[in-house]
This record gives sequence, structure tokens and C-alpha cells, in this order.
Amino acid sequence: DGGITQSPKYLFRKEGQNVTLSCEQNLNHDAMYWYRQDPGQGLRLIYYSQIVNDFQKGDIAEGYSVSREKKESFPLTVTSAQKNPTAFYLCASRTGQSTDTQYFGPGTRLTVL
Amino acid sequence: GENVEQHPSTLSVQEGDSAVIKCTYSDSASNYFPWYKQELGKRPQLIIDIRSNVGEKKDQRIAVTLNKTAKHFSLHITETQPEDSAVYFCAASKSPHDMRFGAGTRLTVKP
Repeated sequence: DGGITQSPKYLFRKEGQNVTLSCEQNLNHDAMYWYRQDPGQGLRLIYYSQIVNDFQKGDIAEGYSVSREKKESFPLTVTSAQKNPTAFYLCASRTGQSTDTQYFGPGTRLTVL
Repeated sequence: GENVEQHPSTLSVQEGDSAVIKCTYSDSASNYFPWYKQELGKRPQLIIDIRSNVGEKKDQRIAVTLNKTAKHFSLHITETQPEDSAVYFCAASKSPHDMRFGAGTRLTVKP
């Protein structure tokens, strides 16, 4: 999992602003994921991508957008339409092989001021 | 869709004791069950996983058991140490893009 990086580690946003969270992996993994983690709750899937130029909505996609222009990169934009964006955001990746194991990045903590 | 429940939400044990965390799932088609350990402010780390064709799996002090009939699986940590203190998450999935996580168990190991 050391091959997955997220930046920044902490991010502060004013209400009404869009912000973009970075996720990069050098593991040559095909699939990438974005999760949101709130206190006392499990991880919830925002978006996932199986291959370049393809992505699918997860359970809580409203107010978020993604792109997958390169295999290594899967940035997440938190738009002003997301009403409660303060959370810990985790990116994960997985090989395209039979294993279902997902490996996580270190996370970005987003706080709306 | 799949629903995963995890118990207890907090667990405190003395160093050297065993700890057991239990999860139940609702979708009988789920076939992959990983467990993650997350230390404060850090990324979840996979510690052990099990597939539906196996009933038990061990890795040193950690073991996972799966009861497909009852649709529950458990994490067992023996000879606990203070460094085992963390939040543990279970998950269940029937496809790589449909993984559902439990709410987590905060384990505290008292020295």
C-alpha cells in the first residue's frame, strides 16, 4: 500500500468552493476507488473506476466528481453541491486480477470552514 | 444491497487476553471477507481475509472464521499487545466494486 499516495493530507475549504483531492498509484493497478469515512461509520463508496476513461457512481456520489485520464491517477473533486463535505477521504486501488483486495492511501482530511 | 453489521463498537481487553469481533452480512452471494486495521489518522491496512470456500484462516495471532449458513464471520486476536490497539473494520463483497464495510470496532489493549 506504500504505492498509493494522496495529497494534501489536510485541506480546508470555504463554503461554496470546489476542491480537488489527489490520488496517485504506481502499483499498475487497474481499479481505483474513493471512499468517505465519517466518525462511527464504515467506509462509504463515492466513485470507482475499473479502467482509464471509465468510472461509475458509488452509494454517495452526489456532490462529487472524478476523472480517470491516466491509469495512475484518480482525482476527486468535492463540489459546492456537497452539503456536508467535512470528512476523511480515502483512495484505494486493486489489481485487475482475481483478488478482491483493496489497498488504501493515507487519506485526506477535508474540513469546511 | 449488502448490509454489514459489526459488534461490539468498542472493546477493551487486558494485555495477553484474547479479543473477538463479530460481523454479520445479509447477502448470501457475498464471497470475500477482508478485515482491516486502522490506527488513528492512518490508512486502513489489510490484516487478514477469507473467501467463502474456506471456514477458517490463521496468521500468527490473528484468525478469521466464517459461517456461511449463519452469514457471520469473526476476527480473533490472541495474546493481545498494546500495539493491537486500533479500529478494526470488517467488510463483505460479492464483487470487487461492491464492498460493504462494518462501522468499526475500537479495540483498546490495556498494558
